[in-house]
Amino acid sequence: QSVLTQPPSASGTPGQRVTISCSGSSSNIGSNYVYWYQQLPGTAPKLLIYRNNQRPSGVPDRFSGSKSGTSASLAISGLRSEDEADYYCAAWDDSLRGWVFGGGTKLTAL
Amino acid sequence: QITLKESGPTLVKPTQTLTLTCTFSGFSLSTSGVGVGWIRQPPGKALEWLALIYWDDDKRYSPSLKSRLTITKDTSKNQVVLTMTNMDPVDTATYYCAHRGGHVLPDYWGQGTLVTVSS
Repeated sequence: QSVLTQPPSASGTPGQRVTISCSGSSSNIGSNYVYWYQQLPGTAPKLLIYRNNQRPSGVPDRFSGSKSGTSASLAISGLRSEDEADYYCAAWDDSLRGWVFGGGTKLTAL
Repeated sequence: QITLKESGPTLVKPTQTLTLTCTFSGFSLSTSGVGVGWIRQPPGKALEWLALIYWDDDKRYSPSLKSRLTITKDTSKNQVVLTMTNMDPVDTATYYCAHRGGHVLPDYWGQGTLVTVSS
């Protein structure tokens, strides 16, 4: 059972805008930055969004993040087939004094 | 360029101790603020944080696994070692090490190593 809660799956048609939610608590998302990772099949996770809404160099601006209270969201606009992957949210947890991850959301481009 | 690579046994028997090594380049674990953590992922399942060691040798462990884990660093060799005792088939997973620098959470990950626990 993951500390952060994500929907197990999400889908959209190419070109569509898709959002993935991430719910936590006051000890993690509520008081710390949210990070998002993309994991393509058979590969290691890759940092997609840091500090709630910042993109590392090389990440397309189709990907955006937001946070409100104890929840966060990842939005993907102009969905492409190559965006099919598992997406994980993560944060620091002040109570556990460590990293916590969501259960992951499998994104499918229909 | 920051890179990390995990190494260790691919197969361990139940009750044995697992020792994994993370060998990295492109950064120093003696630099203020830097850390290296371990995360695992059972086949088809989610990521789970295990342990984290900082440049000043501060160590953090997942509360649920703390009694079984030990993390150490060898700054001169650019290595971080994770040991996990009393391995069980449910510990079968891909184990990743990851760099934590200016961000609170990992920004660079190793490729991962699959460890299977079976008799």
